Amino acid sequence: AQSVSQHNHHVILSEAASLELGCNYSYGGTVNLFWYVQYPGQHLQLLLKYFSGDPLVKGIKGFEAEFIKSKFSFNLRKPSVQWSDTAEYFCAVINNAGKSTFGDGTTLTVKP
Amino acid sequence: KAGVTQTPRYLIKTRGQQVTLSCSPISGHRSVSWYQQTPGQGLQFLFEYFSETQRNKGNFPGRFSGRQFSNSRSEMNVSTLELGDSALYLCASSPTPGTPSYEQYFGPGTRLTVT
Repeated sequence: AQSVSQHNHHVILSEAASLELGCNYSYGGTVNLFWYVQYPGQHLQLLLKYFSGDPLVKGIKGFEAEFIKSKFSFNLRKPSVQWSDTAEYFCAVINNAGKSTFGDGTTLTVKP
Repeated sequence: KAGVTQTPRYLIKTRGQQVTLSCSPISGHRSVSWYQQTPGQGLQFLFEYFSETQRNKGNFPGRFSGRQFSNSRSEMNVSTLELGDSALYLCASSPTPGTPSYEQYFGPGTRLTVT
């Protein structure tokens, strides 16, 4: 069965700190990987995605993620967070049959 | 281009009743997926429709059903509501399944409260 695990449920950082949110998935076949963000009171929106090619992908607002196939991981990173990055972050996997699975989410709080 | 719209935005129902939620995808998008979002459980996939056919289904009881119309608009129905059905129901649309990226665009959700 396909599953996604986000290890950090709540992360608290000070502004300018570096961020890394973990995401591991389990699925034996080809996957498409996503990070979505939900700012307070707003819709879920796509941060970045990977489906093939360079395993290091860059998204909006300075976020990046690296797909490491051998570790079934797709961790999200940002070198220096801002207060405006306070949000909930979701990792998601969609297989080639279109079946999607989201992680439970990580709440990021950035202290000014 | 208008985004994904969902109606109603808020709904209060009583246990045992049934409810229908509506989703209009982005113009030109033909795939619609539904999710249930609850605190601590993230997003749980309900089902996906494409060309009026259910293509994928999550692990929800048969009380949860959906359909898609020829204009790609979709509805989901929950019968015999239970307290545990209280959640934010999200709809997401995609251009066409099978495209490389499967990027989904989410609506604002319908907040369902069952009392």
